[in-house]
Amino acid sequence: DQQVKQNSPSLSVQEGRISILNCDYTNSMFDYFLWYKKYPAEGPTFLISISSIKDKNEDGRFTVFLNKSAKHLSLHIVPSQPGDSAVYFCAAMGRSSGDKLTFGTGTRLAVRP
Amino acid sequence: DAGVIQSPRHEVTEMGQEVTLRCKPISGHNSLFWYRQTMMRGLELLIYFNNNVPIDDSGMPEDRFSAKMPNASFSTLKIQPSEPRDSAVYFCASTPEPVGAFSYEQYFGPGTRLTVT
Repeated sequence: DQQVKQNSPSLSVQEGRISILNCDYTNSMFDYFLWYKKYPAEGPTFLISISSIKDKNEDGRFTVFLNKSAKHLSLHIVPSQPGDSAVYFCAAMGRSSGDKLTFGTGTRLAVRP
Repeated sequence: DAGVIQSPRHEVTEMGQEVTLRCKPISGHNSLFWYRQTMMRGLELLIYFNNNVPIDDSGMPEDRFSAKMPNASFSTLKIQPSEPRDSAVYFCASTPEPVGAFSYEQYFGPGTRLTVT
């Protein structure tokens, strides 16, 4: 049972445009969410996070939005750059019920020059 | 900082053989995690340690899998006997925060790609 779902396995975007990656979760106990970025032959690296007490967190070109009622979060990258081409993983945790990160299956983003 | 170190980077073995994957966490980090990545299930947590003690091994798929952390700078994940369905990329990650901290960024190694034929 996938508690964190990334329903789009891939996304292609033109350089300079906005990339929107989506993530849904089912466990209402999750209260902290993270995005990781992964290049081929490398491990995932942390990108940005958000606590459930917020609905938005911004870091440069990257913004994460959280809609708790819909159990949905999204990562916006604007403007997209070719170097952003990677696999993006959404992850969630519930600090009140253990400290494991539960990851989604990932979305492969391709930014076209 | 060398980051999390994993070895080997690639492993090809025959079904039934024993496989041992190794991980050296970042110095000073006190939590260590083993993950498996597959296309179908993404990144799955297998087991994690805090201060060398296994905290949660509920993700370990079968008794064929075992993990140890004899000291703060070394951990192993062993599969015996290996099967073709174990083929995947195995990641090790470490974090400096104690389990339960608010900020929960994990630092991943480059992974070991395991192929069981």
